[in-house]
Amino acid sequence: GESVGLHLPTLSVQEGDNSIINCAYSNSASDYFIWYKQESGKGPQFIIDIRSNMDKRQGQRVTVLLNKTVKHLSLQIAATQPGDSAVYFCAEIPPSGGSYIPTFGRGTSLIVHP
Amino acid sequence: DAGVIQSPRHEVTEMGQEVTLRCKPISGHNSLFWYRQTMMRGLELLIYFNNNVPIDDSGMPEDRFSAKMPNASFSTLKIQPSEPRDSAVYFCASSLLLTSDRLNNEQFFGPGTRLTVL
Repeated sequence: GESVGLHLPTLSVQEGDNSIINCAYSNSASDYFIWYKQESGKGPQFIIDIRSNMDKRQGQRVTVLLNKTVKHLSLQIAATQPGDSAVYFCAEIPPSGGSYIPTFGRGTSLIVHP
Repeated sequence: DAGVIQSPRHEVTEMGQEVTLRCKPISGHNSLFWYRQTMMRGLELLIYFNNNVPIDDSGMPEDRFSAKMPNASFSTLKIQPSEPRDSAVYFCASSLLLTSDRLNNEQFFGPGTRLTVL
């Protein structure tokens, strides 16, 4: 049968505002997390990562916060620009005997209005 | 460096046909990954290689899928026979060697191959 497309959660912001994108992860044993940005027609692009022994990590205009108590990850983008418009999704990597098996979130579509 | 190169960018085929997707990783990268992305299931890791050796293929959906890496600069993902439910965007990514102690090597994704099986 024909598959039905799913609509991603969407966050619309004005240029210059700060954006916060949230992600709930599933495995309390996951010890490494990555945020990706995916622009239309392109492959995912690494933005920032964080290990479970940290609760905050900052990059250039981006900050990732990790709350292990509630298994929640957030990506904060400061002074959002039109070029930030993309789908953002998180990935969790649980310890797996040295093997790398990520689980990806479904993604949030960020729309930045000039 | 041109980044990760994938070919073809688009492939339309009929059910039952063999499909071969190709990937050239970034020179010097020792880990290579094949992913599949669909609206229904999101992004899924199919298989990854370290130094041309398959490390984990538990994400490969079934025996119709196979992947090879004959050398450090080339990998293929083959689907035989293809089915309509295989329609998706297939991404190849590469990174410096991924180990349990070095999970934070950034992966660089190719542009993807959009596969449509009729």
